[in-house]
Amino acid sequence: GAGVSQTPSNKVTEKGKYVELRCDPISGHTALYWYRQSLGQGPEFLIYFQGTGAADDSGLPNDRFFAVRPEGSVSTLKIQRTERGDSAVYLCASSQLDGELFFGEGSRLTVL
Amino acid sequence: SQKIEQNSEALNIQEGKTATLTCNYTNYSPAYLQWYRQDPGRGPVFLLLIRENEKEKRKERLKVTFDTTLKQSLFHITASQPADSATYLCALDFYSSASKIIFGSGTRLSIRP
Repeated sequence: GAGVSQTPSNKVTEKGKYVELRCDPISGHTALYWYRQSLGQGPEFLIYFQGTGAADDSGLPNDRFFAVRPEGSVSTLKIQRTERGDSAVYLCASSQLDGELFFGEGSRLTVL
Repeated sequence: SQKIEQNSEALNIQEGKTATLTCNYTNYSPAYLQWYRQDPGRGPVFLLLIRENEKEKRKERLKVTFDTTLKQSLFHITASQPADSATYLCALDFYSSASKIIFGSGTRLSIRP
């Protein structure tokens, strides 16, 4: 497709479970970002990839969160031992090196 | 740490008037400042980008200003329409190429007919 694709669009899980969220960026975009957004708040930075490597992972809240981008295209955000406080919309965006971000529609995670 | 402040309260404007939204930041001035629009349940959509050496940028009914002395950006929508109702986010990019971009909490704008 032409835009950023995120799957699943909705995920309901139980506390303590493991979750993977996938992001398919726009073809040719070298930069990829993950953000987390809670209701009424702006997107909170988690991690930024330039190519295959994580250029900045300073926003990951703790070691339960991990993200990979092994071939410089698709990225997966992994959350271990989920907690209720992890419930949010997880947004992915991709970019050329000009700053403009193209966002997906997000993955809504609910931890019961 | 860097902080970004946007009007936390919703802004209600009569159709046809100019809406002005504010974005203030602390500490270092970014290389770029960007504005995005976000509708409920959707991802943010890019509107405008202004560089640190630019004072003003325009695009159709939108205008952005950037004052690095005041550490402030203003976002204007002229001849506002109900379809402009959305949340508007400002974002700061501290380097001249893709890098960590941080967002404000957004301002909800409502345009009444």
